[in-house]
Amino acid sequence: DVKVTQSSRYLVKRTGEKVFLECVQDMDHENMFWYRQDPGLGLRLIYFSYDVKMKEKGDIPEGYSVSREKKERFSLILESASTNQTSMYLCASSFPSSVRRRRNTEAFFGQGTRLTVV
Amino acid sequence: AQTVTQSQPEMSVQEAETVTLSCTYDTSENNYYLFWYKQPPSRQMILVIRQEAYKQQNATENRFSVNFQKAAKSFSLKISDSQLGDTAMYFCAFMNPPNFGNEKLTFGTGTRLTIIP
Repeated sequence: DVKVTQSSRYLVKRTGEKVFLECVQDMDHENMFWYRQDPGLGLRLIYFSYDVKMKEKGDIPEGYSVSREKKERFSLILESASTNQTSMYLCASSFPSSVRRRRNTEAFFGQGTRLTVV
Repeated sequence: AQTVTQSQPEMSVQEAETVTLSCTYDTSENNYYLFWYKQPPSRQMILVIRQEAYKQQNATENRFSVNFQKAAKSFSLKISDSQLGDTAMYFCAFMNPPNFGNEKLTFGTGTRLTIIP
């Protein structure tokens, strides 16, 4: 089974702290994504990466950065946590759909990290 | 930019009945992927069904089927013989066409579905 693992299920941090959310996948996926999920807003893309050391901004990158030093690991960094970053964070990974013979173009998700910034 | 719209924030249906969740999207692309994901109270996102835009035939997975209307940019999910375990948040999602480095998933705002015993 595909496994996408997020380092924490619940996290409480103080305003101004630097926060690291870690995500690891074991399926050799090229694509990895970070989303935040808020009630009534669905999932919004923060950053995605399609290869090691490659990253692209999503729809709401402000206040966040990412790191992908190894293919299996994609880290989301909150440089200086603020209360408006209190949210559920979801990591996902997938094969690129350009790999024609693969059927599994869908994204597989981690279990989510509920972050509270106080 | 692509947008995905789910106009039903909440729905409820009696167990064993059929329910349809709606989704519309906006894109200028011709070839793309559409998905329905389910998020139960456990928070784990699970793929329900996938549709490739170049395929005219509607996808089906057991009790789950879609009505894909490409011209109308509509992608609804039908759940037949609904079960208590179908209670969850359902998200419609759009993936850009195959183009290395441009394959982000865009999600709708979700529909919270409750199956009533």
